[in-house]
Amino acid sequence: AQSVTQLDSHVSVSEGTPVLLRCNYSSSYSPSLFWYVQHPNKGLQLLLKYTSAATLVKGINGFEAEFKKSETSFHLTKPSAHMSDAAEYFCVVRRHASGGSYIPTFGRGTSLIVHP
Amino acid sequence: GAVVSQHPSRVICKSGTSVKIECRSLDFQATTMFWYRQFPKQSLMLMATSNEGSKATYEQGVEKDKFLINHASLTLSTLTVTSAHPEDSSFYICSARFGEETQYFGPGTRLLVL
Repeated sequence: AQSVTQLDSHVSVSEGTPVLLRCNYSSSYSPSLFWYVQHPNKGLQLLLKYTSAATLVKGINGFEAEFKKSETSFHLTKPSAHMSDAAEYFCVVRRHASGGSYIPTFGRGTSLIVHP
Repeated sequence: GAVVSQHPSRVICKSGTSVKIECRSLDFQATTMFWYRQFPKQSLMLMATSNEGSKATYEQGVEKDKFLINHASLTLSTLTVTSAHPEDSSFYICSARFGEETQYFGPGTRLLVL
């Protein structure tokens, strides 16, 4: 079965310092992995996705993530945090469903807090 | 990216009544839409997969008679919470699948059952 584990429920950083949000996955085959961001009272927005192409994936707003098969990880990073980055971040893996389709499985989420 | 809308954005209803939530893909056709439920400070829980022209596939533990899903067209799926109770109060989010890899999410509907 495919699943993701977000290791931290909260991450707190100062503005201008690096961000690291951790995600480990479990999959019996090469997975497709995604990071989404959810701002308060707004819909989820796709930050980036990995689908078996380049292992270092660049996303929007300066975020990137690296797929490391040996570590079964897909951590999200950003060199310098902005106040506007404060939000909930979800790591997502696709899993097979009946009929050959795929459905998404969400991690529990990591709340990013950015201090001035 | 593509746009998915939900209506209403928030609804308050009395216990025992039914509430319908609409999910529309505004600029693409979606054969598959997903319905999620999100409790405060928690992750999204997939409730069901809505397939255009066929019955929805419900996740384990989700009552199909309680949460009726209709995907009558390629741009519209509806979720009806029947005989709502206070424990049904939650944030309901839909998404529409675009191609094989991408989902676009609606902004969510906050339901409060009194």
